[in-house]
Amino acid sequence: KAGVTQTPRYLIKTRGQQVTLSCSPISGHRSVSWYQQTPGQGLQFLFEYFSETQRNKGNFPGRFSGRQFSNSRSEMNVSTLELGDSALYLCASSLDGENIQYFGAGTRLSVL
Amino acid sequence: AQSVTQLDSHVSVSEGTPVLLRCNYSSSYSPSLFWYVQHPNKGLQLLLKYTSAATLVKGINGFEAEFKKSETSFHLTKPSAHMSDAAEYFCVVSDPEGFQKLVFGTGTRLLVSP
Repeated sequence: KAGVTQTPRYLIKTRGQQVTLSCSPISGHRSVSWYQQTPGQGLQFLFEYFSETQRNKGNFPGRFSGRQFSNSRSEMNVSTLELGDSALYLCASSLDGENIQYFGAGTRLSVL
Repeated sequence: AQSVTQLDSHVSVSEGTPVLLRCNYSSSYSPSLFWYVQHPNKGLQLLLKYTSAATLVKGINGFEAEFKKSETSFHLTKPSAHMSDAAEYFCVVSDPEGFQKLVFGTGTRLLVSP
């Protein structure tokens, strides 16, 4: 069974731009969660989607948004990028009713 | 609110010696606790999960953790370290109100010397 796939693996953007990251969950998993990992703040929860609906949300500004498609694939978008948005963005999927999350390798975003 | 505290930012051991990574938790509920490992430039891999069925939890690669409610601890151990164990380890608690919302500790970097 294929694991969680995140694309692209690396991104370089400049301040003010916007970016979209993609996540394909493990087949059969309908819950997708996103996390931001930085050296200063560690791993922080962004949001979780289930059946195309945002079910949980962390404490991030509205510039961070996401969506989920009917096939459970998810995207997250960051608008008006800031230098502080440079981070590893991790996606995780899980079966509904099971709180074990399986992580992808992440997308490393650098904002210049 | 749920939280975890990893007591050591770095732990250094020699290959073949025991590993102890310490974690204390704070939870007003019966917690769901996890240990994840992250190798350089890789995602997170689940080592083990505490399910309340047993206080001693066995995980992959010879790791285990013991849940001690009286001490609010969930320390990770391994009898004999291997070079491939060098990585960052995260103690994690799940938020009971946001079932899939994980709260991570700050991480412990394990260094293994030959």
